[in-house]
Amino acid sequence: DVKVTQSSRYLVKRTGEKVFLECVQDMDHENMFWYRQDPGLGLRLIYFSYDVKMKEKGDIPEGYSVSREKKERFSLILESASTNQTSMYLCASSPRTGEETQYFGPGTRLLVL
Amino acid sequence: AQKITQTQPGMFVQEKEAVTLDCTYDTSDPSYGLFWYKQPSSGEMIFLIYQGSYDQQNATEGRYSLNFQKARKSANLVISASQLGDSAMYFCAMRENSGGGADGLTFGKGTHLIIQP
Repeated sequence: DVKVTQSSRYLVKRTGEKVFLECVQDMDHENMFWYRQDPGLGLRLIYFSYDVKMKEKGDIPEGYSVSREKKERFSLILESASTNQTSMYLCASSPRTGEETQYFGPGTRLLVL
Repeated sequence: AQKITQTQPGMFVQEKEAVTLDCTYDTSDPSYGLFWYKQPSSGEMIFLIYQGSYDQQNATEGRYSLNFQKARKSANLVISASQLGDSAMYFCAMRENSGGGADGLTFGKGTHLIIQP
């Protein structure tokens, strides 16, 4: 079974803090994704990566950055957390091509106070 | 314009009845894929079913089937014989394949399905 893990299920941070959300997948997938989920808005793509050290902006990249130093790990960074970044963050991975679905991690609920 | 539209924010359905969750999409890409995910209250996203734009037949996976009407740009999920465990949020999503498959999914806002005993 594909396994995507995220470093924390729940996280509470203060405004202005630097926040790291880590995601690891064990299926040697080339593609990795970060989404945020907010009530009434569904999931929105923040950033994605199709290879090590490669990154592409999604629909809402402002206020975020990412890092992919190893194939299995994709990190989402909030340089200076703000209250409007309180959300559920979901990581996903998929093979490079094909019809396969994206496989999602359990999510991190981030609260910024 | 929204690329994925789910018009039903919530639905109440009696156990054992069939359920249809609506999804319409908008794309000019000739090659695309459509997905349905289930998200229970625990939060994990569970993949249910996939339909490719060139697939001739409607996709089926157990109690789930996808009613794909390409001309109408519609990809409704049908759950037969609903169960209490089907209560969850359901998301329709699309991947446009012009980006080579690496692009992210575009999600609808979801439908909250509640199955009543």
